[in-house]
Amino acid sequence: DSGVTQTPKHLITATGQRVTLRCSPRSGDLSVYWYQQSLDQGLQFLIQYYNGEERAKGNILERFSAQQFPDLHSELNLSSLELGDSALYFCASSSRDRATNEKLFFGSGTQLSVL
Amino acid sequence: KNEVEQSPQNLTAQEGEFITINCSYSVGISALHWLQQHPGGGIVSLFMLSSGKKKHGRLIATINIQEKHSSLHITASHPRDSAVYICAVAESGGGADGLTFGKGTHLIIQP
Repeated sequence: DSGVTQTPKHLITATGQRVTLRCSPRSGDLSVYWYQQSLDQGLQFLIQYYNGEERAKGNILERFSAQQFPDLHSELNLSSLELGDSALYFCASSSRDRATNEKLFFGSGTQLSVL
Repeated sequence: KNEVEQSPQNLTAQEGEFITINCSYSVGISALHWLQQHPGGGIVSLFMLSSGKKKHGRLIATINIQEKHSSLHITASHPRDSAVYICAVAESGGGADGLTFGKGTHLIIQP
């Protein structure tokens, strides 16, 4: 058990809809990273928050947004969903602000299916 | 943007064999991660290294910064080692701190 909790585990929705994925980091970790894993693109970095502030941005679409709350949990909001957004979404956490400094701890992922 | 190449893409071996998975990248990095993803989907971080060699149990990871290359070795392989192994790099010199990932190596260890 990594200590990182993601909910829900599975999400099935329709095109055009909006969903929210939730991540609770390990106790004490200040950084939350969001990743998307699809069959054709593999794993891609979306966005990172550190102690409530956006720290780094990767290949995140404008239709997607995220935030980190004072209790350090994070939410990834996906709107105007398209079929191509179907993927496994992971969050990871660490205690520091850079992925260069220590190992990351991954949640079990949210499988999103857009029909 | 860093290009991360892993080889082989697929590997099937017999229990007990010594396994090597390779990772090459194109741009200087500050750290390299090796990750393991089991069929259930969960990802576990095996190593983070920026130089030299690290060992944990039957797993050994090495990195050669000058050659921009890293290897993951598994000694005395076991069917429970069957998984996808993913190499990921964190670039040096600023920019996004998120990782750039390889496509993964699908490893199957047959009893």
